[in-house]
Amino acid sequence: DTAVSQTPKYLVTQMGNDKSIKCEQNLGHDTMYWYKQDSKKFLKIMFSYNNKELIINETVPNRFSPKSPDKAHLNLHINSLELGDSAVYFCASSPGLEPTDTQYFGPGTRLTVL
Amino acid sequence: AQTVTQSQPEMSVQEAETVTLSCTYDTSESNYYLFWYKQPPSRQMILVIRQEAYKQQNATENRFSVNFQKAAKSFSLKISDSQLGDTAMYFCAFMKRYGGSQGNLIFGKGTKLSVKP
Repeated sequence: DTAVSQTPKYLVTQMGNDKSIKCEQNLGHDTMYWYKQDSKKFLKIMFSYNNKELIINETVPNRFSPKSPDKAHLNLHINSLELGDSAVYFCASSPGLEPTDTQYFGPGTRLTVL
Repeated sequence: AQTVTQSQPEMSVQEAETVTLSCTYDTSESNYYLFWYKQPPSRQMILVIRQEAYKQQNATENRFSVNFQKAAKSFSLKISDSQLGDTAMYFCAFMKRYGGSQGNLIFGKGTKLSVKP
């Protein structure tokens, strides 16, 4: 009965590889997000989708591409991985975009690029 | 652009005592919300408390309360009767109410709180 789930929880890969992280929410929410938390614990939004449409696309390299096949899923695909991509990536969802719409976070995916 | 500053990288408190975590922010917006999120060692981010800038009354959630000083752009979190389970990173966050980038939470760098038995 996990509300927001991410797979995998841990991902270790070599520089230059392409990888994907999957996110699913079973809360019936319209909005989903990807956040990046760096090694110093700083958390920053990357993307948000509302009803499968991109709403926020902060300044992230275009090697990162979110894909939303339906409202319950928001996957993150990363091409040509670099050392600096090593971080914990969090998926989140909320009923909508209002500040009163609580964002529920997944458990995170720790990506390590060697 | 909005910024959120948490000046205390680490704090500790004895079990059952009270602790206050500080947060200041900078914005030219007049309508916004402020949040405190908790990230325990399990990594899961959990909303602790939310405050609307237009509400003068400070928000409370059980043992958690805030001291919101709008003019000073200060938003501190008070945890009363601290429990071992309160051990976590605490993040202060800002979200503007209107004007695009809705849903965009802007986080501070966090305060690591340790509750000691």
